[in-house]
Amino acid sequence: TQLLEQSPQFLSIQEGENLTVYCNSSSVFSSLQWYRQEPGEGPVLLVTVVTGGEVKKLKRLTFQFGDARKDSSLHITAAQPGDTGLYLCAGAQYAGGTSYGKLTFGQGTILTVHP
Amino acid sequence: DTGVSQDPRHKITKRGQNVTFRCDPISEHNRLYWYRQTLGQGPEFLTYFQNEAQLEKSRLLSDRFSAERPKGSFSTLEIQRTEQGDSAMYLCASSLVWDYRAQQFFGPGTRLTVL
Repeated sequence: TQLLEQSPQFLSIQEGENLTVYCNSSSVFSSLQWYRQEPGEGPVLLVTVVTGGEVKKLKRLTFQFGDARKDSSLHITAAQPGDTGLYLCAGAQYAGGTSYGKLTFGQGTILTVHP
Repeated sequence: DTGVSQDPRHKITKRGQNVTFRCDPISEHNRLYWYRQTLGQGPEFLTYFQNEAQLEKSRLLSDRFSAERPKGSFSTLEIQRTEQGDSAMYLCASSLVWDYRAQQFFGPGTRLTVL
C-alpha cells in the first residue's frame, strides 16, 4: 500500500505570513497533484508535477516535486484569508501501457488564514 | 465546457435502505473514478472504469457496494442496506487514460448521511 504523509495537519496563521505544507512517501510517484477543497465541495486541481526537481508557480503558490519523486511541498507566500481551505496532495503511479491509475491522497492540511 | 457533475448533492437515508448516486464525467474523458471521503481525511479510492469496463475495486468496496458504467458515459454507485459507517462524501472524478500527468478532475460530491 502506497502512503502519502502530509504535514502539518492543521495550520492557523495571520494574513501576510508564509507557510509550507509537506507531502512525503517512501514510494515513487509518476506524478503528484495538489488540490484545494472547500467545505461541502469536491477537490479542485491546483497543479500537477511530473518531473523530479520540478518547480511550478501559481501566483503566490510554489509547488516543488522532490528529485526522487517521492515527496513534494507547497509554499504560500503572504497568505490571504481567501487561501483558507483544505489542501490535499495526491500521487499517481504508472499502471502499465500508457495508463495511470488511481490517486493516493494524503490526509490533508486544514489551513486557516486570519485577517 | 462542463465539468464533472454528481447527483444528488446530499442524501439522507435510514439505516438499511438502498441508495444510488450518479456521476456524469467530462464528456471526452474515458476514465471514471469513485472515491470516498470521511471528515478530516483525504479521499480514499473505491473503484474505477475505463470506458464501460471496471478495472479495479478497492478492498474498501464491500459486497453491499456496486458500481456501473453501462455505456461508458455516466456511472452509478449503489449502496445496499446502508449502515451508519457509510456516512461520508462520495466523490467522482474523470480523466483521460493517455494523460501522462494523470490529472483527475473531481465533481462536487454527494454527501451521504445514514441515520
